[in-house]
Amino acid sequence: GENVEQHPSTLSVQEGDSAVIKCTYSDSASNYFPWYKQELGKRPQLIIDIRSNVGEKKDQRIAVTLNKTAKHFSLHITETQPEDSAVYFCAALHNAGNMLTFGGGTRLMVKP
Amino acid sequence: DAMVIQNPRYQVTQFGKPVTLSCSQTLNHNVMYWYQQKSSQAPKLLFHYYDKDFNNEADTPDNFQSRRPNTSFCFLDIRSPGLGDAAMYLCATSRVRGYEQYFGPGTRLTVT
Repeated sequence: GENVEQHPSTLSVQEGDSAVIKCTYSDSASNYFPWYKQELGKRPQLIIDIRSNVGEKKDQRIAVTLNKTAKHFSLHITETQPEDSAVYFCAALHNAGNMLTFGGGTRLMVKP
Repeated sequence: DAMVIQNPRYQVTQFGKPVTLSCSQTLNHNVMYWYQQKSSQAPKLLFHYYDKDFNNEADTPDNFQSRRPNTSFCFLDIRSPGLGDAAMYLCATSRVRGYEQYFGPGTRLTVT
């Protein structure tokens, strides 16, 4: 089955700095890679996603890059703000099924 | 505008006393999922329905069952809750296979 590794597990940045979270996956057949943000006690919310036919996608301060050859994808947050503080999960979806395999999560703390 | 609704939001049950959690959706999505999420961990898929087709994850304990009486509703039954079943239970939906999943707000289960 699919295995998704996520690093780092915790990340602390100063407000205004950039944050980068990296994930690797094992199954080359995975073709959809969402990123979820989860604030304490709340639901995971989809913030950006990318499909395997695209190398990069950007939405305002958030961008995701995908390297299919190396089987890794990354989340980039620029100009971080305190409200970006949350746990972020990457995930990979295998084309043949419905199952999302999640990474272990990254706790991002943005210090004012 | 709630799209995936879970009730109750908080549930306390006694050790061994059956409990049912419910999920409903207004999105008319074909797929509904149940996840278990323990503190500081990624959501773990228990099972999912694609229409009426039930798909159980291999490591989901027999203690967990699910019902989907119609497109809009899905239930999680825990037949004999143990202390280790205390967690947040998240329901999610997706339109079809391989598309983004939308999470409900979750039900936090406490077992006393």
